[in-house]
Amino acid sequence: NAGVTQTPKFQVLKTGQSMTLQCAQDMNHNSMYWYRQDPGMGLRLIYYSASEGTTDKGEVPNGYNVSRLNKREFSLRLESAAPSQTSVYFCASGPPRNTQYFGPGTRLTVL
Amino acid sequence: EDQVTQSPEALRLQEGESSSLNCSYTVSGLRGLFWYRQDPGKGPEFLFTLYSAGEEKEKERLKATLTKKESFLHITAPKPEDSATYLCAVHIREGSNNAGNMLTFGGGTRLMVKP
Repeated sequence: NAGVTQTPKFQVLKTGQSMTLQCAQDMNHNSMYWYRQDPGMGLRLIYYSASEGTTDKGEVPNGYNVSRLNKREFSLRLESAAPSQTSVYFCASGPPRNTQYFGPGTRLTVL
Repeated sequence: EDQVTQSPEALRLQEGESSSLNCSYTVSGLRGLFWYRQDPGKGPEFLFTLYSAGEEKEKERLKATLTKKESFLHITAPKPEDSATYLCAVHIREGSNNAGNMLTFGGGTRLMVKP
């Protein structure tokens, strides 16, 4: 059981470039989440998907889009990266209304 | 406004010196409180879930307790390998489709245990 996996582990972008962060889980969870973690700000929810085919905004959705490709996969897209999006991004999954299990993170730098 | 505050921000202990970390919350209708451990460069690792005041859970040297306004993570006789950042989060409401689980995280307590 790999749990929650994320790719890539590290990424450097220039302002205005786009990229997609990938997340997959093999625990058969219905719900999946994207967070960002910044020093002094803690973990903040960007988007989540309660089940396949649904997505909802979290606390800080601006500048991001998501796709729940199937039950296993949930991707996060930055259409036009900005320096303010420099952060560590975590994907998580879990059964509804219960514990969330996190991936190892993607460290993104936008120059 | 719903808030989760952890204290202290940082805690240095000698090996074997027991202590407690605090997580206080001001939310309406707590549905669950979660404790995680995060090592540098890694994702948060789940430790405990508490649902109601008076509930306690233990795992090795860690014990989590919950009251109506706060939770404590007690660390008994810590070892250097317990050094990490400990995060708490509260489940405050469900998503618009009534099946999500939106968590609000505190800022964390960075624990350093010296041998």
